[in-house]
Amino acid sequence: QVQLQESGPGLVKPSETLSLTCTVSGGSISSYYWSWIRQPPGRGLEWIGYIYFSGSTDYNPSLKRRVSISLDTSRNQFSLKLRSVIAADTAVYYCAKGRERNSAYDAFDIWGQGAMVTVSS
Amino acid sequence: DIVMTQSPDSLAVSLGERATINCKSSQSVLYSSDNKNYLTWYQQKPGQPPKLLIYWASTRESGVPDRFSGSGSGTDFTLTISSLQAEDVAFYYCQQYYSTPLTFGGGTKIQIK
Repeated sequence: QVQLQESGPGLVKPSETLSLTCTVSGGSISSYYWSWIRQPPGRGLEWIGYIYFSGSTDYNPSLKRRVSISLDTSRNQFSLKLRSVIAADTAVYYCAKGRERNSAYDAFDIWGQGAMVTVSS
Repeated sequence: DIVMTQSPDSLAVSLGERATINCKSSQSVLYSSDNKNYLTWYQQKPGQPPKLLIYWASTRESGVPDRFSGSGSGTDFTLTISSLQAEDVAFYYCQQYYSTPLTFGGGTKIQIK
């Protein structure tokens, strides 16, 4: 059974870069789309973007200027970088797996437990 | 962007009674080439990640109790819990995956009356 685990700093200063990694265990990162999704405290869910195992990406236009997602197939990991963070970027950040192989447009069937990131000086 | 609007924001239902949540998309999420609705439902309990309940608008994920059902097509969708159990207290979110950016509804909180 595939499992996902987010890791990274829980506190980031304003204007700096938020960096998180998602480690995929129990299965290969190949042939699936892998997403980052965030949830500000007490609020709803926002899709940040995805990466395919080939390295192709798509990002939410609302964050596109500041975000990048990368992949390390040798470590079965994918990562998120969000630049120039502000207080409004404070959220729980989830990584998630697309349900079907090779399907960009799909539900998320497996989620990590989430990583709380606070933007504060 | 496709805007997903859920109603109500919150709902209190007696144990054993039916709960119904609505989700409306700002444009159709029915893809004509495969006749599938690109709409999914998640359940989220406090401190936990969302859990997939329903995909293709009406297909139950493996292991999800059959009291959960999804219906609708095009722009209007419904999640029904046929007989509410205590463990169903949670937030519920719809999400479209018809086009990027993938977007979620604002959520509906289900409580026990």
